[in-house]
Amino acid sequence: DQQVKQNSPSLSVQEGRISILNCDYTNSMFDYFLWYKKYPAEGPTFLISISSIKDKNEDGRFTVFLNKSAKHLSLHIVPSQPGDSAVYFCAAKSNNNDMRFGAGTRLTVKP
Amino acid sequence: DTAVSQTPKYLVTQMGNDKSIKCEQNLGHDTMYWYKQDSKKFLKIMFSYNNKELIINETVPNRFSPKSPDKAHLNLHINSLELGDSAVYFCASSRGSFMNTEAFFGQGTRLTVV
Repeated sequence: DQQVKQNSPSLSVQEGRISILNCDYTNSMFDYFLWYKKYPAEGPTFLISISSIKDKNEDGRFTVFLNKSAKHLSLHIVPSQPGDSAVYFCAAKSNNNDMRFGAGTRLTVKP
Repeated sequence: DTAVSQTPKYLVTQMGNDKSIKCEQNLGHDTMYWYKQDSKKFLKIMFSYNNKELIINETVPNRFSPKSPDKAHLNLHINSLELGDSAVYFCASSRGSFMNTEAFFGQGTRLTVV
């Protein structure tokens, strides 16, 4: 029962262009959403988050959009850089410390 | 200064053995987690502890038993290891009990059961 879904296992983008990573969720009890970035042989590291009371949060090149009615969020990276190449995990939390992850999307940014 | 540290980083063992993975966080966080990343790269929650108290216990075989001696440690014991237990296990911690903050992850422990 995957409550958080990332339907694109991989994404390839040219350097300087926009990367858009998508995430869908099914549990309406989730009220906080996070994106994590993971390099090989390392643990995931926090990237950006958004509360369910907002529809957008921006941090430098990274912007997360939340569409609650569609139960959909997306991460935009503009402009994309080769160092952004990693696996990106979408995560969702409810207030009982239950944090669920998507399967991840491998982003490759080509120089 | 490692915030969340797991040991060992690699663990190769035979079927039927009992093994433990240790996790420690020096962030003063109240909540700790164990996640399993399976062969399809899914990060699935196994357990969550808040102030040494078990909060979440997913459908995990009872061969897996978490132990939290204090709120800075959450160790994972696995009895009678099976081939299907081979995976990367991640420990994580987060601040507060019901606060929505990010979690900090350890580097992972790659368990290989042969």
